[in-house]
Amino acid sequence: EAQVTQNPRYLITVTGKKLTVTCSQNMNHEYMSWYRQDPGLGLRQIYYSMNVEVTDKGDVPEGYKVSRKEKRNFPLILESPSPNQTSLYFCASSPKPISYEQYFGPGTRLTVT
Amino acid sequence: ILNVEQSPQSLHVQEGDSTNFTCSFPSSNFYALHWYRWETAKSPEALFVMTLNGDEKKKGRISATLNTKEGYSYLYIKGSQPEDSATYLCAFLTGTASKLTFGTGTRLQVTL
Repeated sequence: EAQVTQNPRYLITVTGKKLTVTCSQNMNHEYMSWYRQDPGLGLRQIYYSMNVEVTDKGDVPEGYKVSRKEKRNFPLILESPSPNQTSLYFCASSPKPISYEQYFGPGTRLTVT
Repeated sequence: ILNVEQSPQSLHVQEGDSTNFTCSFPSSNFYALHWYRWETAKSPEALFVMTLNGDEKKKGRISATLNTKEGYSYLYIKGSQPEDSATYLCAFLTGTASKLTFGTGTRLQVTL
């Protein structure tokens, strides 16, 4: 089944404790992206990747890192999480180019205390 | 950051009603406009990707139109059903960017 998977789905952590949210897709998509969803705000892009080893900042990249060593994986890293990073996170992928529809993962709800 | 606006913010209709909502986006440097349907506790799913001025797309009872010159798109739902209850998101892509800018969505609730 074609899908985007994310892990973990739920995470409660403490300020400053490094964490990684994994994202994997099995559709051979070149474009992958991370978004965060906060109440009253639209989905905001954190980082995106046009292909392996090619990543770029989205609209809200501060406090996040990403890597794209393999085509299928695009992990989101929070080196020192803070409470303002409490949010619902979505990973998405699409075929090249980005004008194609995006396929979203199930979401990761992160709480930083 | 580009401004993509959706209206209304929320909408409550009865089963069988037809409804429509609007997505407004910058009219310059247009590349594509996406519509997504997002049910509670699920992830957004693509409805349409529109690229040409005057484009009309249809999927069952849902259709969309696009006006790139004036910077708006309409989403129509004919004969709303309770299963249409969801948040409908639009997202705009410029010709020079490689990222989508999403609106805040229109939340539709359909009751019996």
